[in-house]
This record gives sequence, structure tokens and C-alpha cells, in this order.
Amino acid sequence: KAGVTQTPRYLIKTRGQQVTLSCSPISGHRSVSWYQQTPGQGLQFLFEYFSETQRNKGNFPGRFSGRQFSNSRSEMNVSTLELGDSALYLCASRGLDTEAFFGQGTRLTVV
Amino acid sequence: SQQGEEDPQALSIQEGENATMNCSYKTSINNLQWYRQNSGRGLVHLILIRSNEREKHSGRLRVTLDTSKKSSSLLITASRAADTASYFCATDTQGGSEKLVFGKGTKLTVNP
Repeated sequence: KAGVTQTPRYLIKTRGQQVTLSCSPISGHRSVSWYQQTPGQGLQFLFEYFSETQRNKGNFPGRFSGRQFSNSRSEMNVSTLELGDSALYLCASRGLDTEAFFGQGTRLTVV
Repeated sequence: SQQGEEDPQALSIQEGENATMNCSYKTSINNLQWYRQNSGRGLVHLILIRSNEREKHSGRLRVTLDTSKKSSSLLITASRAADTASYFCATDTQGGSEKLVFGKGTKLTVNP
């Protein structure tokens, strides 16, 4: 079956703009989590959605938000982009098992 | 803050040798997972070991878990150039959270 699909793969935005990233989980998986990866901070948890509800949130400012749709697809949004938001954004989906499967990520560059 | 700390940060070996990476963590866990990442791409799930397991094998991979020492190790036997990647441990903490806490990773280079 298809894996986790993230779109777009690459994105360049200007400071102050906003961006929306998309994640389609593995079919049947209802949990979707988002992570930010930077060279300095490593992999950090942003938030997790299950059945359209945010169940858990990391320590990120309110500019970072997300949502999940009834088909389990998820989007995350970053408003008022800052240079420090440049990162690889990874989405993971989980089913009944506890393994988390990740997409290829969206590389966001803020200039 | 990072829960897991991998050791070493970087490891360079020759093809055919074994590679051992260690991970230490701070709080009680439900399970620990190891992932591989090739140069800025997505994370590939390698193996999951539950808190009540001590050792697990998958192909050329062997993972151990010592909950009393809050540590885990990943052994890759008979390494290949294609194993060159960064390896991360991630802990799934107790309490029903679906949040994975990652270490900073070990960058493994396997020289042909």
C-alpha cells in the first residue's frame, strides 16, 4: 500500500508570508504527527492529530497550526514566516500498531 | 529538549564491519524505535522494541534495550556502503502520548 505522501517536496517563501503543507497518511491510519527538523535543534515534535482532533502539541509558537480532515489527511500552516522556520517538515502516520511511518518531508526555505 | 542521546555522533567504518550505535534516554518509555535517514530525506522505520523486550532482530539489525540503564543499542552487521545514513532513536513515552522524542542521531559512513 502507498506510504505517507507529503506535498510539496520543496518550497521557498519570503519572510512574513504564510505557508501550508499537506500530508496524506497511509490508508487506514488515523493518527498524523508533524515534526520539524533543523541542524541546530534536531527533530522536534510539533503536534499530533487523531480523528480530526489535536491530541498533543509541542512547544512551538501559535504561528504553527494544523488540522486534520475526515479522510485523515492533514495540513500544517505556518504564518508570518521567519528565517528560523527554514527546516525539513516531516509528517508521520500511525495505525493501530505503534510504529510511526514518515513521509519524505517538505523542505521549506524562508528567504 | 531531546530525550534520547545517541553515541557516537559520527562513526566511520569499512564495508563488511559491524556498526554499533547507542542511545540513552531519560524517562520511562512504552517503546523505543530506530530510524534511518538518508541525507535530508524522510525517516525510514527500522525496528521497534517494546519496554518489556530486551532484544530484537530484523535482518542484519539487532537492537537491545536495557530499561534499568535507560539505554538501547543498534547493531548493524556486515555493513554495506548503502547503510551510510544518519540513525536516530526515538522514544515513545508512557502516558498515552503519541509524541516521539528523538535524539540527535549518529551519522554513519560506510566506506567501500
